[in-house]
Amino acid sequence: SQTIHQWPATLVQPVGSPLSLECTVEGTSNPNLYWYRQAAGRGLQLLFYSVGIGQISSEVPQNLSASRPQDRQFILSSKKLLLSDSGFYLCAWSVGVSAEAFFGQGTRLTVV
Amino acid sequence: AQSVSQHNHHVILSEAASLELGCNYSYGGTVNLFWYVQYPGQHLQLLLKYFSGDPLVKGIKGFEAEFIKSKFSFNLRKPSVQWSDTAEYFCAVFTSGTYKYIFGTGTRLKVLA
Repeated sequence: SQTIHQWPATLVQPVGSPLSLECTVEGTSNPNLYWYRQAAGRGLQLLFYSVGIGQISSEVPQNLSASRPQDRQFILSSKKLLLSDSGFYLCAWSVGVSAEAFFGQGTRLTVV
Repeated sequence: AQSVSQHNHHVILSEAASLELGCNYSYGGTVNLFWYVQYPGQHLQLLLKYFSGDPLVKGIKGFEAEFIKSKFSFNLRKPSVQWSDTAEYFCAVFTSGTYKYIFGTGTRLKVLA
């Protein structure tokens, strides 16, 4: 069966430090991969999505970037975190044009 | 640009009341439509989905939704809510042309016992 792993679950980082959140999917090939930020009252904001290795589409210009070095690996990064980067980040995958999205456990990032 | 609007941010109902949550999207092409639910402390899970065919879609736990193409709407309904339906509900749109998966801002439903 397919599973998605996202880590870490919680992270506290100082302002100006780098960030790397990792997401891996098992049990499927060539998934569509997504990074979202979830905030109360704002729903799930799509940050990045990828339909294949090395293919990244950015939705919101900001202090973050994403990479997909392998088929089932999706990484969210920042070179220098800002206070405003604090939030709850979710990774998700779907397959094909008609499948549902499956979500990781999420990462609660606090920038101090 | 694609977008999804959910008009009701907070809804409070008594048990056995009927529910209708609005969802409108903006996109000129073909879309796949979804409703997800997030119970407190849990992951999002799929309630129902529409791809083609009958615009009235039935999902789990007695929920249904109707796709009205002319109104760009996909409203969620349930004839009689239960206390256990207390959760946050998200409408989502997937566009096969762009592979974007866009979610609405969510509706928090509280059902009073």
